[in-house]
Amino acid sequence: DAGVIQSPRHEVTEMGQEVTLRCKPISGHNSLFWYRQTMMRGLELLIYFNNNVPIDDSGMPEDRFSAKMPNASFSTLKIQPSEPRDSAVYFCASSPIAGRYNEQFFGPGTRLTVL
Amino acid sequence: GDSVTQMEGPVTLSEEAFLTINCTYTATGYPSLFWYVQYPGEGLQLLLKATKADDKGSNKGFEATYRKETTSFHLEKGSVQVSDSAVYFCALRGPGANNLFFGTGTRLTVIP
Repeated sequence: DAGVIQSPRHEVTEMGQEVTLRCKPISGHNSLFWYRQTMMRGLELLIYFNNNVPIDDSGMPEDRFSAKMPNASFSTLKIQPSEPRDSAVYFCASSPIAGRYNEQFFGPGTRLTVL
Repeated sequence: GDSVTQMEGPVTLSEEAFLTINCTYTATGYPSLFWYVQYPGEGLQLLLKATKADDKGSNKGFEATYRKETTSFHLEKGSVQVSDSAVYFCALRGPGANNLFFGTGTRLTVIP
């Protein structure tokens, strides 16, 4: 299996622009997670889905952030409009459905820079 | 709520030195505990895990024992290598939960 695939790997944009990050989970995994990593705040869970349904979005910073999972093999995280403080590495992870033994598999991340 | 407190870094060791990275947790019930490793420019990878008290997780020479009495899950390795240089994250999943709570990460640098 190719693992969790994220695109783009790097994104540089200007403040106010819309940014869309993409994730393809591992085939057969039912849960998908979006994380944000910064030096100041460490690794934060933004939102996660079970069977394409958002379960917990309490970590989404504000209304500028939105995430969708239209099917089992694709998810997007959108920031509109983007701000410099959104600069971070965004990780997508997937796992088999909830279970205390189930490992989360992480993608390589998207490094976002908002100028 | 559930949380993880992890030893702050950075940690710099010479090759073949002994490594300990401390991790303590706060949780209700019996959580599952994990150590993830992040190599430069990559995503996180599971290093080891333990799902009940007194379990010992081990992988690649690393070990951690789930200690309920001290609510700890310290990571140890007897002899580190340059290739172990990475950021290490302690994480917790509560009973019945799907999401993980991560510590802040500890950066390890091993010098020849």
